[in-house]
Amino acid sequence: EAQVTQNPRYLITVTGKKLTVTCSQNMNHEYMSWYRQDPGLGLRQIYYSMNVEVTDKGDVPEGYKVSRKEKRNFPLILESPSPNQTSLYFCASSSGAGPSSYNEQFFGPGTRLTVL
Amino acid sequence: EDQVTQSPEALRLQEGESSSLNCSYTVSGLRGLFWYRQDPGKGPEFLFTLYSAGEEKEKERLKATLTKKESFLHITAPKPEDSATYLCAVQENYGGATNKLIFGTGTLLAVQP
Repeated sequence: EAQVTQNPRYLITVTGKKLTVTCSQNMNHEYMSWYRQDPGLGLRQIYYSMNVEVTDKGDVPEGYKVSRKEKRNFPLILESPSPNQTSLYFCASSSGAGPSSYNEQFFGPGTRLTVL
Repeated sequence: EDQVTQSPEALRLQEGESSSLNCSYTVSGLRGLFWYRQDPGKGPEFLFTLYSAGEEKEKERLKATLTKKESFLHITAPKPEDSATYLCAVQENYGGATNKLIFGTGTLLAVQP
């Protein structure tokens, strides 16, 4: 089954404690992205990756890091989480086929992060 | 500043009552406009991609259309299972390079039996 998986699904942590949210896709997609979703603000892109070792900032990259060492994995790293990073996070992937790299983008189930 | 605006914020329909959702955008060039459906507690589910003005896509009771300034998602004879939040997103065409994806805040659709 084609899917994007994220772990953990729920996480409660404290300010300053480094954490990593993993993301994996089994569709051999080139493009992957991380988004956060907040009430009233909608989905905002944090980082995206066009291929292995190629990443770029989205709209809200401050406080986040990413890496793309393998095509299937795209972890999101919070080096020193703060309460304003409490949010619902989504990873997504797409093949990049056609004029747009975001065509038929698949989303993961989400990770709900609470930073105390 | 590039912007994607969806209206209305919320819409309540009776089963069978057709309507349209709007997504207006301001970008210097459009590379793609996307519609997603999101159910509570789940990730968005891809519905359509539109690339150029005049283009239309259909899927069951949904039809998406695109002009130079906005897109409409037409829902014909909706059923309660069409209840969800519908999201619009835009990728700008800027110098041929891959660019950011900008989402609207969505329209919450409730279809009552």
